[in-house]
Amino acid sequence: GAVVSQHPSWVICKSGTSVKIECRSLDFQATTMFWYRQFPKQSLMLMATSNEGSKATYEQGVEKDKFLINHASLTLSTLTVTSAHPEDSSFYICSADPILAGGGNEQFFGPGTRLTVL
Amino acid sequence: RKEVEQDPGPFNVPEGATVAFNCTYSNSASQSFFWYRQDCRKEPKLLMSVYSSGNEDGRFTAQLNRASQYISLLIRDSKLSDSATYLCAVNFNNAGNMLTFGGGTRLMVKP
Repeated sequence: GAVVSQHPSWVICKSGTSVKIECRSLDFQATTMFWYRQFPKQSLMLMATSNEGSKATYEQGVEKDKFLINHASLTLSTLTVTSAHPEDSSFYICSADPILAGGGNEQFFGPGTRLTVL
Repeated sequence: RKEVEQDPGPFNVPEGATVAFNCTYSNSASQSFFWYRQDCRKEPKLLMSVYSSGNEDGRFTAQLNRASQYISLLIRDSKLSDSATYLCAVNFNNAGNMLTFGGGTRLMVKP
């Protein structure tokens, strides 16, 4: 149980293109999903908290107009990198927080999306 | 000071060795603690939660020291397959369930 999928797994695009990444919880519901970014040899940096049915909460320094988040259902959140530039090239990982009675706050991660912007 | 800190390593150990990592956190009100394992170019996978009483899962033992604000991970009888980056994660606020990750400690187990 607690499987999270991401699509696409990797994408290469030209500068100026917008890229949409999907994060799905396959066997559980999640009111909250998280989006992280990880640059080579660095740790995960939280970009934003995605809340079902409401606006995402962005971390300091993350532009909400550049990284659009939509959490339309309890099993799907999307991150759109608008007008991507080479400096946006990174490993984007989502995680989901299951709705569990007495849950232990674990997050389950998707396999990540590797974005390369040329 | 970072909220969650780890020695980046790498820790180079021979097979069969025992190795321990620590992770310090700055917020004394932290509620939940976790160890994740991340392989190169892969997503983090939950290794174990860390409970106040400490917990053990096979060769892995995790402990929490609230007084000194750190958690530890002990790996006994290291295997080659244990080579990975180990990330600690701390939840500062149960209501938000947001995790803050340390920078990770890289472990390399050599034959």
